[in-house]
Amino acid sequence: DTAVSQTPKYLVTQMGNDKSIKCEQNLGHDTMYWYKQDSKKFLKIMFSYNNKELIINETVPNRFSPKSPDKAHLNLHINSLELGDSAVYFCASSQDLAGFTDTQYFGPGTRLTVL
Amino acid sequence: RKEVEQDPGPFNVPEGATVAFNCTYSNSASQSFFWYRQDCRKEPKLLMSVYSSGNEDGRFTAQLNRASQYISLLIRDSKLSDSATYLCVVNGPDSWGKLQFGAGTQVVVTP
Repeated sequence: DTAVSQTPKYLVTQMGNDKSIKCEQNLGHDTMYWYKQDSKKFLKIMFSYNNKELIINETVPNRFSPKSPDKAHLNLHINSLELGDSAVYFCASSQDLAGFTDTQYFGPGTRLTVL
Repeated sequence: RKEVEQDPGPFNVPEGATVAFNCTYSNSASQSFFWYRQDCRKEPKLLMSVYSSGNEDGRFTAQLNRASQYISLLIRDSKLSDSATYLCVVNGPDSWGKLQFGAGTQVVVTP
């Protein structure tokens, strides 16, 4: 019974295409996140939503647009894909926004390769 | 300077041995500290939180040194299954769930 799930697991696409990654959590958490892990293994936060409201929006190109239809789902749409977008994208969730002690639960990741 | 810095390793450890490694953080006002574990091509998972007085969880011991701004992780009696990348994670005072991750320290436990 997967707590945080993402689809697809692998995504290979051409430069210039538009793609979406979906994330769902069944933990009843209020907060969801998108992270990017690049080839140097750094995990960097991109966005955070709390109860469908955008809370954190790091310096991310506006080609990346998150959408949260409800608090259990957070999708990521990427327009005009570039080579530098190749990375592993992780979705995560936590009980609330405070984050100081809350565990963040990560999805299995989506490995995006842009050719 | 990176917010969170770690020795990337790898630390090659014989089974049954003890291994320890540190992580330094740049923001002296950081309030919460964690170790996450990431297996190859898998997602990060919380290993343990790090408390001011230090804490143990089985074979794992975490310490926090606020004066020198580092946290440490010690693994005793290493098992083959401890082979993973250990991510140092810090949560700052102005962040709402905005965890700062280190790039990780790779540990390889050998038979």
